Amino acid sequence: QPQLQESGPGLVKPSETLSLTCSVSITAIIRSSNHWAWIRQAPGKGLEWIGSIHHSGSTYHNASLRSRVTISVDTSKNQISLRLNSVSAADTAVYYCARHIGVGGKDYMDVWGRGTTVTVSS
Amino acid sequence: QSVLTQPPSASGTPGQRVTISCSGSSSNIGNLPVTWYQQFPGTAPKLLMHADNERPSGVPDRFSGSRSGTSASLAISGLQSEDEAFYYCASWDDSLNGYVFGTGTRVTVL
Repeated sequence: QPQLQESGPGLVKPSETLSLTCSVSITAIIRSSNHWAWIRQAPGKGLEWIGSIHHSGSTYHNASLRSRVTISVDTSKNQISLRLNSVSAADTAVYYCARHIGVGGKDYMDVWGRGTTVTVSS
Repeated sequence: QSVLTQPPSASGTPGQRVTISCSGSSSNIGNLPVTWYQQFPGTAPKLLMHADNERPSGVPDRFSGSRSGTSASLAISGLQSEDEAFYYCASWDDSLNGYVFGTGTRVTVL
């Protein structure tokens, strides 16, 4: 079983909301001092950080996506979630979750999920 | 458009040394450490180097990193065929208050 596993619909219609979940098995989120991140990669493109969350609620967002993104944590299920509303074809990508260490300075992401592909199409 | 710029490609023959640059600004790698990720097509990125030159366990010592001014570099010494992959630099950006990735470099072993 992967330490981080993303899940969610593979197909989302334009203007609707993309919802993904990342199940964490590497540690109990509530006992972790780290943040947990969402990153995406459009087909043939580079990596784009979406945002990161700590179980305390501390959250950082990519400013370019902030108005459409909600990142949350469910410590009872040991999961983090991503909601991206008003999607368009430009949101078609592989979405990854990762453990984000040292947020705000000495950052790195040391554990990654395998990613889940989301296509936005009618 | 990324705030960290990398050359789109780099190449070398087996055994050669290849260097990948990452150019940023004072709000990111000019004052904050850089991280490097390695990604093979169709797979998730893997942490290759953090804190400029710290290799996680399992990363071969032929990979090394450095940072000077507003630029950083990843060097691969003794290039091997299995090093053929995409490489991304990354850093926190104080002006954006967010994490930024470089544009990525595809390394080809000739």
